[in-house]
Amino acid sequence: AQSVTQLDSQVPVFEEAPVELRCNYSSSVSVYLFWYVQYPNQGLQLLLKYLSGSTLVKGINGFEAEFNKSQTSFHLRKPSVHISDTAEYFCAVRGWGGSQGNLIFGKGTKLSVKP
Amino acid sequence: DVKVTQSSRYLVKRTGEKVFLECVQDMDHENMFWYRQDPGLGLRLIYFSYDVKMKEKGDIPEGYSVSREKKERFSLILESASTNQTSMYLCASSFSGTYNEQFFGPGTRLTVL
Repeated sequence: AQSVTQLDSQVPVFEEAPVELRCNYSSSVSVYLFWYVQYPNQGLQLLLKYLSGSTLVKGINGFEAEFNKSQTSFHLRKPSVHISDTAEYFCAVRGWGGSQGNLIFGKGTKLSVKP
Repeated sequence: DVKVTQSSRYLVKRTGEKVFLECVQDMDHENMFWYRQDPGLGLRLIYFSYDVKMKEKGDIPEGYSVSREKKERFSLILESASTNQTSMYLCASSFSGTYNEQFFGPGTRLTVL
């Protein structure tokens, strides 16, 4: 069965500092990974996805993530954050078998960017 | 732009009431999903549908049912609302196939008193 672990429930950071949000997954089959962002009082929006190919994936709003198969990780990074990046971030892995087509989500990481 | 709309942003109901949450998508997506979001628990799948009149249970289907009579509309039904169903409910849709991302609606915050 697939699962996703987001290692930090909250990450406070100052504006213009770099940030890394950590995500580890478990899957015994081919992996498709996603990062979504949820701004306050809104639904989820796709930041980026890894399906195959280059292990460094670039997304919207200056975010990128690196797929590391040996460490089963898919950490999200941004070199310089803005106040507007304050949101909750969810890592997800595509389900297989009975959950084909579904996404299995981590519990989320709240990023708080302070001035 | 893909649009997924949900009938209400906020809803307050009483214990025992029958509650309908409606979701409509305008992109001709085959798949539709209902999730529940609770603090510290992330998103948990309640039900999904991959075609009209088809439905599959997700991880937490107890206390819920769904209906999909038309391709663009997916309804979540709480037959007899209970206080432990107070939560944020998110609807999503996607094309069928391996690679297709899910598009989410804005959510309905349901409070059951």
